[in-house]
Amino acid sequence: DVKVTQSSRYLVKRTGEKVFLECVQDMDHENMFWYRQDPGLGLRLIYFSYDVKMKEKGDIPEGYSVSREKKERFSLILESASTNQTSMYLCASSLGGQGGNSPLHFGNGTRLTVT
Amino acid sequence: AQTVTQSQPEMSVQEAETVTLSCTYDTSESDYYLFWYKQPPSRQMILVIRQEAYKQQNATENRFSVNFQKAAKSFSLKISDSQLGDAAMYFCAYRGPLYTGANSKLTFGKGITLSVRP
Repeated sequence: DVKVTQSSRYLVKRTGEKVFLECVQDMDHENMFWYRQDPGLGLRLIYFSYDVKMKEKGDIPEGYSVSREKKERFSLILESASTNQTSMYLCASSLGGQGGNSPLHFGNGTRLTVT
Repeated sequence: AQTVTQSQPEMSVQEAETVTLSCTYDTSESDYYLFWYKQPPSRQMILVIRQEAYKQQNATENRFSVNFQKAAKSFSLKISDSQLGDAAMYFCAYRGPLYTGANSKLTFGKGITLSVRP
């Protein structure tokens, strides 16, 4: 089974802090994703990466950056946390190549609260 | 940009009955992929079922099946013999044709909360 591990389940940070959310997958997947989940808004894509050192903006990249130095690890960075970034953050991975029907495998999520 | 619409925020079903969750999407592509995901209260998202647009046959996984209407851009999920463990949030998702790695993302709907009455 694919395992996607997010480093923290709950996180509380202060406004203005730099926040790192870490995600590791163990199945050699090419693609990795960061989504944000808010009630009534569903999942919105922040950033994704389809290869090491490659990144693509999603629908809501403002206020975030990402890093993918190794294939198995994809980090989401909040440069200066703000209260409107309080949310559930979900990391996911999937096979690359021509496997269009390859599903996303999700981590357990990180509930981030910015005060 | 592609959009995925789940217009019903909540639904309820009696245990052992059948329920259908609706999903529509907007795309100009002819080749794409559709998914249904389940998120139980424990919150880990898991894949329920998937469908390739080029396949006319509706996908089936045990008690879960889809009604894929390509012309109508509709992709509904039918859950038969509903069980208490089916109570969860369900998300419909779309992926476009995989011309490049940059197209590998999934676009999700807002989700529907399904409750199951014992």
